Amino acid sequence: AQTVTQSQPEMSVQEAETVTLSCTYDTSESDYYLFWYKQPPSRQMILVIRQEAYKQQNATENRFSVNFQKAAKSFSLKISDSQLGDAAMYFCAYRRESNYQLIWGAGTKLIIKP
Amino acid sequence: SAVISQKPSRDICQRGTSLTIQCQVDSQVTMMFWYRQQPGQSLTLIATANQGSEATYESGFVIDKFPISRPNLTFSTLTVSNMSPEDSSIYLCSVEKGGGRPPGFGPGTRLLVL
Repeated sequence: AQTVTQSQPEMSVQEAETVTLSCTYDTSESDYYLFWYKQPPSRQMILVIRQEAYKQQNATENRFSVNFQKAAKSFSLKISDSQLGDAAMYFCAYRRESNYQLIWGAGTKLIIKP
Repeated sequence: SAVISQKPSRDICQRGTSLTIQCQVDSQVTMMFWYRQQPGQSLTLIATANQGSEATYESGFVIDKFPISRPNLTFSTLTVSNMSPEDSSIYLCSVEKGGGRPPGFGPGTRLLVL
């Protein structure tokens, strides 16, 4: 069975600096998707970035980028130029392509210091 | 991406009563899921809502407690039956359209049981 581990319950970063959130997963499948979602206090789940396992190139979305290491089963999220609006819970998720079910990490609370 | 709405957005209920949560999508989707998110925790999958047939429940969740309907490809309901304070959570609807697109989420229903 697949598992997703986020080992950092909480991270803090100074505004305008860079922070990296870690995520590791375990699977025997070769084709899958990985996602980072952001959940602000409003509780809406917002997609930050996604990565297709068969693509070696790391995904990038503006200030957000991932370091995807398939062999190491690692999928970390880097946030550059952190902004106050980035403060939220961040969840890493693995999607089973057989039934589209998502396996979630425990989440990392990101605090931005002004 | 799909626009997903949930009703109600929040409710306060008495123990022993039932509440039905609605999830409406503005376009047809392949899969619909219901999650529970207890305070400060990650998402837990309750069930997959199957169109025209009985939902598929995850371990620890049963149909008598969480009956689910999905009469068509754009709508689903989750009922939380015979509620107790332990059912106080956020309930989230999620949808999949397939084709590599990321999952979408409704805004959630915050339930407090007294």
